[in-house]
Amino acid sequence: AQSVTQLGSHVSVSEGALVLLRCNYSSSVPPYLFWYVQYPNQGLQLLLKYTSAATLVKGINGFEAEFKKSETSFHLTKPSAHMSDAAEYFCAVIFFGNEKLTFGTGTRLTIIP
Amino acid sequence: DAGVIQSPRHEVTEMGQEVTLRCKPISGHNSLFWYRQTMMRGLELLIYFNNNVPIDDSGMPEDRFSAKMPNASFSTLKIQPSEPRDSAVYFCASTLGKGAASEQYFGPGTRLTVT
Repeated sequence: AQSVTQLGSHVSVSEGALVLLRCNYSSSVPPYLFWYVQYPNQGLQLLLKYTSAATLVKGINGFEAEFKKSETSFHLTKPSAHMSDAAEYFCAVIFFGNEKLTFGTGTRLTIIP
Repeated sequence: DAGVIQSPRHEVTEMGQEVTLRCKPISGHNSLFWYRQTMMRGLELLIYFNNNVPIDDSGMPEDRFSAKMPNASFSTLKIQPSEPRDSAVYFCASTLGKGAASEQYFGPGTRLTVT
């Protein structure tokens, strides 16, 4: 069955440390992949997306993600965390033949001063 | 650009009452999506429109829910009668192009509480 999984519902990192948020998908055909961020009491904002071009995708606010077909992963990274990065992050997928955006369960990122 | 506008931002109502949520998409966008977010179920797509026509409403929970898009600049999501389990944040999103491959721009959401 097609699915998207985010490992870790809560992640805490120190300010200035590496941020790594994990996303894996289950599909025989590589899908379109997205990362969205949601700040408290706000809607979702697109960070970056992969649509079968370059496997390393750079997004806003210093985030990037790498599509790895062999690992069926699309992990989100940022070299140095900032306090303003505290938010909930959602991995989302459009599976081949489907027009719907399927969201993962989200990862709440906390930044420790 | 005002972004996607949703109203009201907060709605508290009693069980059995009718609730209408409103959305104004970004001007020029031709696809509109309604989502529901809860702690238990996360983000769920309820329905989406393309050029004001409902394309997929398979996510609408039951007949108590209905959505309309009478024109390109306005959509409503109605719940009648409302139930406590409908309590959630409802988001509207719009995009230029058909389907979800294009970037979706989300509104701030409507927090619905049904008592």
